[in-house]
Amino acid sequence: NAGVTQTPKFQVLKTGQSMTLQCAQDMNHNSMYWYRQDPGMGLRLIYYSASEGTTDKGEVPNGYNVSRLNKREFSLRLESAAPSQTSVYFCASSSTGVGSNQPQHFGDGTRLSIL
Amino acid sequence: AQKVTQAQTEISVVEKEDVTLDCVYETRDTTYYLFWYKQPPSGELVFLIRRNSFDEQNEISGRYSWNFQKSTSSFNFTITASQVVDSAVYFCALSEWPFSSGSARQLTFGSGTQLTVLP
Repeated sequence: NAGVTQTPKFQVLKTGQSMTLQCAQDMNHNSMYWYRQDPGMGLRLIYYSASEGTTDKGEVPNGYNVSRLNKREFSLRLESAAPSQTSVYFCASSSTGVGSNQPQHFGDGTRLSIL
Repeated sequence: AQKVTQAQTEISVVEKEDVTLDCVYETRDTTYYLFWYKQPPSGELVFLIRRNSFDEQNEISGRYSWNFQKSTSSFNFTITASQVVDSAVYFCALSEWPFSSGSARQLTFGSGTQLTVLP
């Protein structure tokens, strides 16, 4: 039972390089999310996808793009990486529905360093 | 806008002591959900509990208990007889109520409390 799987787990990039972080879930969840975690700031939402075919900006979307490839997969792309994007990135998924109280399930994170 | 404040940045206790982690939230919504997550040193996020805004019953699960007080907008977490394995960062989070079948629920996190339990 894999849950939410993120790849890669670690990555080092040079400023200006591009990269795509991959996320897949096997829980048949409708909604998926990308967060970044910086020291002392908790997790902040970058983008989310309420359902297949839809994406919306979160609190800190600048410098990122996302693709909801299908119900299982939700990728995050950095087109031109900047040192300010050095962070730990978490993907999450959840079921949806009126009054749904199901928690978000998180992947193990991707540790990204931009030099 | 929603906001979650965890004023305690770091807490250290000695094993077997009780410890309470504070969480205060702000929201204009009348219905919402509150969550606690644990992040051990290995880095993953582990779901601990959810509470909806119209259920103010306190909850106990083993050594863990949660005190939700809507009047003070607080959702505090107590660990009784702490153990070294409880050492982790604990996050409180708030989400809006999903009013439609296709709506996602964005989580607003606090900045976390680093709990260290010393042997």
